[in-house]
Parts: sequence; structure tokens; C-alpha cells
Amino acid sequence: QVTLRESGPALVKPTQTLTLTCTFSGFSLSTSGLCVSWIRQPPGKALEWLALIDWDDGKYYNTSLETRLTISKDTSKNQVVLTMTNMDPVDTATYYCARTQVAEGYYFDYWGQGTLVAVSS
Amino acid sequence: DIQMTQSPSSVSASVGDRVTITCRASQGISSWLAWYQQKPGKAPKLLIYAASSLQSGVPSRFSGSGSGTDFTLTISSLQPEDFATYYCQQANSFPALTFGGGTKVEIK
Repeated sequence: QVTLRESGPALVKPTQTLTLTCTFSGFSLSTSGLCVSWIRQPPGKALEWLALIDWDDGKYYNTSLETRLTISKDTSKNQVVLTMTNMDPVDTATYYCARTQVAEGYYFDYWGQGTLVAVSS
Repeated sequence: DIQMTQSPSSVSASVGDRVTITCRASQGISSWLAWYQQKPGKAPKLLIYAASSLQSGVPSRFSGSGSGTDFTLTISSLQPEDFATYYCQQANSFPALTFGGGTKVEIK
């Protein structure tokens, strides 16, 4: 059974750095064709893909945010960590991690429940 | 980045209705498209991948079609549990994976 769970602070101040952890089970991030992505959704708005890390430790970022994002993994702990620097109130959103399957494209087949992060002083 | 435009942004329908949602890509993406369903307060759920392949466990009343720039998601007979927001996602232009703006299916 594949599960993912996000954890991190519910509130950060402007200019601070956000660190989110995705803890997963039911698959290995060493398996060819499997990746983990971070995706966010501001309240009432659409989904936005942020970053992806693949089975070969390849790291890919949304070009509009890549100067602020860092993704990493700890395969032994089944965890993926996302850091986002210089947080702003517009970054208030629910942040999801999702297993990403490479099969004729990149598809998010399992999602965590999401964690709401508010940015406010 | 490839822009994904969904229409309509919302649709009112009754149980048993056939519902069609469209998604247009700003440039060709072959068949590299997915559809997701999201209910309030929940994470999205993958319904369709590769434009027309049904994800395991998804009811057969959901179907997808299209290639190139124009795609459709069809719900053949709307059920009460299908009232939700639906998103398309292009899976072709990596690493710029993008979603459409969403279509909310509401009760008429």
C-alpha cells in the first residue's frame, strides 16, 4: 500500500525558509521510473507543480521558482525534503507531495493529504 | 511553459447526465495528458493518464480522449460522488509540468 505524508510548520513568517518533509511507504525511490514531486495549491486556486526528484537523484524545478527551491531525498528513511527560501504571503497554500510515475509522461498517481502553510507576520 | 486551458470553468449537471470537460494545450503534447478529480479538502486523485488510459480502480464511466492540443474528459452518467473539481495536467514538457485551471462540476 502506497502512502505519503507531508509534515512541516503550519505558519512561517515572511522572508523565512520553509522546510517540508514527505515521508512515504509502499515503494522505493530507488526504483527506476519512480519519482516524488511537490505540488502546491493556494486557497481556492489551481494546482502548481514545484519540484521533482527521481530514482537517479535527478532534481528538477519549476523555472519560475527554482532559485528558491531545493529538493533532496534520504532513500534509507523514505523521505523527500523540500526547502523554499524567502517565503512571502503569496506562498500561502496547501503543499502536497505525490509519487510520480514516469509512463508515457509524468503522472502523479499517489498523493499525500497535504499540509496547509500560511505565511504571515 | 505550456499553458493548459480548461472549459467550462464550471458546469451544473444532474445525476445521470453525460458531462464533457475540455482541455486545450498551448502547443502539441502528443497524448501526454492526465485528468485528476479533487473533492473539497482532499488531495487530487488520478483518473486518466496518457490521455485515455483509465487508472486502476477508477469507474469505467470516466473516459478520456484526444491528442495534440485538444482533449476531453467524459463522465458518461454522473453519479453523486462525482461532484468535484477536475484538473487536466500536461505531462509532456518536462520539467515544466503544468495544470489547467480546473472545472467544477456542481449539482443542478
